[in-house]
Amino acid sequence: DTGVSQNPRHKITKRGQNVTFRCDPISEHNRLYWYRQTLGQGPEFLTYFQNEAQLEKSRLLSDRFSAERPKGSFSTLEIQRTEQGDSAMYLCASSRDRAGVKTQYFGPGTRLLVL
Amino acid sequence: DQQVKQNSPSLSVQEGRISILNCDYTNSMFDYFLWYKKYPAEGPTFLISISSIKDKNEDGRFTVFLNKSAKHLSLHIVPSQPGDSAVYFCAARAQGAQKLVFGQGTRLTINP
Repeated sequence: DTGVSQNPRHKITKRGQNVTFRCDPISEHNRLYWYRQTLGQGPEFLTYFQNEAQLEKSRLLSDRFSAERPKGSFSTLEIQRTEQGDSAMYLCASSRDRAGVKTQYFGPGTRLLVL
Repeated sequence: DQQVKQNSPSLSVQEGRISILNCDYTNSMFDYFLWYKKYPAEGPTFLISISSIKDKNEDGRFTVFLNKSAKHLSLHIVPSQPGDSAVYFCAARAQGAQKLVFGQGTRLTINP
């Protein structure tokens, strides 16, 4: 049973650089979500996909952030011109699109540190 | 605007006793609630959920209670075990929405 996987697990970058994270959801799940978690807080929603369509984006997702899910399978989250405030844990989750099924299953996260 | 609140940042319980974690919410459109457990350097792990049409759901040592009139839910763990030591997050989902709204978390420590 393969869960949600995320790569890399850790990323250290310098301010102003671009970074890209990858998420592979559970194979039969067609919904994919990105969240961000900062120290002492719960995860905050960023965006979600149903298959390849990006259906909702949070106001937290500034124009420096872009997410894609080109073939409805894995997803990438790119941050351009990183800032120190982008330092956080970036979490990916997936779920099935089925009536009554509302549980999202999370991956291990990618911890980003912007110096 | 914190729609889901966990007012206790930490809780310490003796092994074998009951742990009770609390969560309050403000949005009356929330109709589904979940509890997640998180170890350091790992993603949240789903524990148990409850729909707003119920007031209790039980799964082994874990029971979630929902009081809609008070907009309050609680997670009971009994008996508590050392492996239960983690941060617990309450999350809610509004009717028709996909995103989860999380509380700030409660760090549970089980003492031997």
